[in-house]
Amino acid sequence: NAGVTQTPKFQVLKTGQSMTLQCAQDMNHEYMSWYRQDPGMGLRLIHYSVGAGITDQGEVPNGYNVSRSTTEDFPLRLLSAAPSQTSVYFCASSYSMGRYTFGSGTRLTVV
Amino acid sequence: AQSVSQHNHHVILSEAASLELGCNYSYGGTVNLFWYVQYPGQHLQLLLKYFSGDPLVKGIKGFEAEFIKSKFSFNLRKPSVQWSDTAEYFCAVNVGGGATNKLIFGTGTLLAVQP
Repeated sequence: NAGVTQTPKFQVLKTGQSMTLQCAQDMNHEYMSWYRQDPGMGLRLIHYSVGAGITDQGEVPNGYNVSRSTTEDFPLRLLSAAPSQTSVYFCASSYSMGRYTFGSGTRLTVV
Repeated sequence: AQSVSQHNHHVILSEAASLELGCNYSYGGTVNLFWYVQYPGQHLQLLLKYFSGDPLVKGIKGFEAEFIKSKFSFNLRKPSVQWSDTAEYFCAVNVGGGATNKLIFGTGTLLAVQP
């Protein structure tokens, strides 16, 4: 089924470890973004991309890196995990204004 | 910086009650407005959107929202809620008239409908 695929669904990291959250879409959407969802804070934009080779920072980019080498993939890298990065991460893609397709999320716990 | 405020953090209603969730944004230029819904254990889905034209927009499942430019508001309404409407609702704003597809979300309103 067409959509946004995120892996893994769950992850536990130790403080200081690094990891990559994967996001892939098969709808040929140019726009992709990463959000984190925390209780009482809604969704906050981490990074976004308007096309292959183009990325930009969102509201809360510190501690995260992204790259966009292909239209399909938009991985999110945690360089040195911290407990403050415990959250649920959503990847989304879009071809038109606001009509986002969201992935099912990655629940990350940093201990 | 642009921001979106949802003042109701947690709402509890009985079935058949009417619903209104508030959303205010801070931006003086062209905006596109959205409501998204997240059912328990699921990802976000688009409920409705406003780009231009009739300020009263209708979405899926009987929801509607009214854009009031003078109040910088985009409140969500439903005349009669059902137990299946239990979910978290997010207001979102895109600013800049389409120059970017970036959405800024509010903090969400958790709606619990009691049967």
